[in-house]
Amino acid sequence: AQSVTQLGSHVSVSEGALVLLRCNYSSSVPPYLFWYVQYPNQGLQLLLKYTTGATLVKGINGFEAEFKKSETSFHLTKPSAHMSDAAEYFCAVSGSFLTGGGNKLTFGTGTQLKVEL
Amino acid sequence: DGGITQSPKYLFRKEGQNVTLSCEQNLNHDAMYWYRQDPGQGLRLIYYSQIVNDFQKGDIAEGYSVSREKKESFPLTVTSAQKNPTAFYLCASSTLTWELFFGEGSRLTVL
Repeated sequence: AQSVTQLGSHVSVSEGALVLLRCNYSSSVPPYLFWYVQYPNQGLQLLLKYTTGATLVKGINGFEAEFKKSETSFHLTKPSAHMSDAAEYFCAVSGSFLTGGGNKLTFGTGTQLKVEL
Repeated sequence: DGGITQSPKYLFRKEGQNVTLSCEQNLNHDAMYWYRQDPGQGLRLIYYSQIVNDFQKGDIAEGYSVSREKKESFPLTVTSAQKNPTAFYLCASSTLTWELFFGEGSRLTVL
């Protein structure tokens, strides 16, 4: 079975500073990896995803993430934080038909991002 | 616009009552899911369905039931057997590459 670990349940940055949200995964087969964002009392919205190919993935709102197989990581970054980035962020890894995971995602416990003036 | 519609957005239940949460999608996706969200625990999978008239238990299926009679609909019933049902419930559907599209959620509170 696959699993996801998000380091830091709360991260606080100043507006204009670098955003770095950490995600490590475990999977016995090449995974598909995702970052989702959730605003209060709303559903989740896809930020970006890695399936195959280029390991640096660009998403919406200026976010990007890099798949590092050797480190089993998929950290989310944004060069300059904006107040509107304040939200909860979830990393997720896909199951695999090879391991019987089927068509479902396993989510991390989330990181709440706070952006301060 | 295509998307996922969940209703109701807020729901209150007395102990011992069953309640049903609605989820409808017009994205023509085969797969649909129900997740439960509690503070600090992320999203936990309750049930999922990859095709009409078929569904599988997720990680926390006890006390819940689902049906999938139509491609567009995947209702979730929270039964009286669910001991701690107060939570935020999210429905989603997915593409073939596991990209999930979520509804706005339903918040259930047990009085």
